[in-house]
Amino acid sequence: ELKVEQNPLFLSMQEGKNYTIYCNYSTTSDRLYWYRQDPGKSLESLFVLLSNGAVKQEGRLMASLDTKARLSTLHITAAVHDLSATYFCAEGLNDMRFGAGTRLTVKP
Amino acid sequence: GAVVSQHPSRVICKSGTSVKIECRSLDFQATTMFWYRQFPKKSLMLMATSNEGSKATYEQGVEKDKFLINHASLTLSTLTVTSAHPEDSSFYICSASERYTGELFFGEGSRLTVL
Repeated sequence: ELKVEQNPLFLSMQEGKNYTIYCNYSTTSDRLYWYRQDPGKSLESLFVLLSNGAVKQEGRLMASLDTKARLSTLHITAAVHDLSATYFCAEGLNDMRFGAGTRLTVKP
Repeated sequence: GAVVSQHPSRVICKSGTSVKIECRSLDFQATTMFWYRQFPKKSLMLMATSNEGSKATYEQGVEKDKFLINHASLTLSTLTVTSAHPEDSSFYICSASERYTGELFFGEGSRLTVL
């Protein structure tokens, strides 16, 4: 069975702190996605990682991919309240399989 | 960027009725569209893959007679929930794969509530 496992599922952080969300996947896919979802909304694309060793950064978020370990990480630097949302990783070419999501709450 | 529009964004219906949700790629052609279902505070579950001009491919456990999918053109796929029941209440999200680049775009989602 194809699996995409995220952890933690819930994350409560103080503003200004750093943290990492982990995504393990079971296939040999070389393509990994990170999305953000706000309550009641659809998905906002954050990163598409296409190869082993890929690292992308946007603002306070940085994503990386290790295809050998089948692991992707989403690192949050100096969190701010606006980052509060649910973050999903997904793997696959088009028919994506999603992780369970990490619900992030950043407290002042 | 490319836009995928879903309509309606919210719909409330009575048990036993059928509801149609549209997924349109507004400024690109999509040979393949995907339908997902999301329960509250849960992840997205792939329901089916919709290919233009052919029958949809359903994931295991998804009733094809319950969730009718039609992809009649390169810009439109529809999901019809037939004889809806309260347990069909969910957030339905489509995605569309751009015909030439394969880039994927998500719709805004449609929230179905069955009373």
